[in-house]
Amino acid sequence: SQTIHQWPATLVQPVGSPLSLECTVEGTSNPNLYWYRQAAGRGLQLLFYSVGIGQISSEVPQNLSASRPQDRQFILSSKKLLLSDSGFYLCAWSVKTYGAEEAFFGQGTRLTVV
Amino acid sequence: QKEVEQNSGPLSVPEGAIASLNCTYSDRVSQSFFWYRQYSGKSPELIMSIYSNGDKEDGRFTAQLNKASQYVSLLIRDSQPSDSATYLCAVNPYSSASKIIFGSGTRLSIRP
Repeated sequence: SQTIHQWPATLVQPVGSPLSLECTVEGTSNPNLYWYRQAAGRGLQLLFYSVGIGQISSEVPQNLSASRPQDRQFILSSKKLLLSDSGFYLCAWSVKTYGAEEAFFGQGTRLTVV
Repeated sequence: QKEVEQNSGPLSVPEGAIASLNCTYSDRVSQSFFWYRQYSGKSPELIMSIYSNGDKEDGRFTAQLNKASQYVSLLIRDSQPSDSATYLCAVNPYSSASKIIFGSGTRLSIRP
């Protein structure tokens, strides 16, 4: 069966510090991978998605970036965090079935920028 | 216009009643539609997927899709206190089959 691992679960970082969040998927190959952010009491905002190694699509221009160095690894980064980067970050994966891409989520990382 | 729109609620329903959650989407030729449940502080979990017009039933849950009206809904029968959560509607837009766009969610509260 497929599993998705995301870490850390919680993170407190000062403004201006770098960020690296990692997500890995097991039990499937060549998945689509996603990073979402959820502000408190809000919906999920799609940040990045990837259909393959090195292929990243950005949805929201901001100080975040994403990379996919391996087939089942997705990394979210920032060089300098802003207060507005606080939120619940969720990694997800889906199979590549056109028009039927159910997404499955990791446990999320709650980031607080102070 | 937002790609996926939901009433934020909160929607309060008595225990045992039917809860009805609604969602509209803007991409007329979207292919796939999903309902997720999210408990406070947790990640979303998939409840239902629906791809064709009409109803799809799974236990106490029924998803309804009307592509002509660009409308998808979720009915929860015999509502239980454990159904209290935020329900997120998601759409796989035709414009990009790899994207999955979420609505802002509807908060549902089941009162005993």
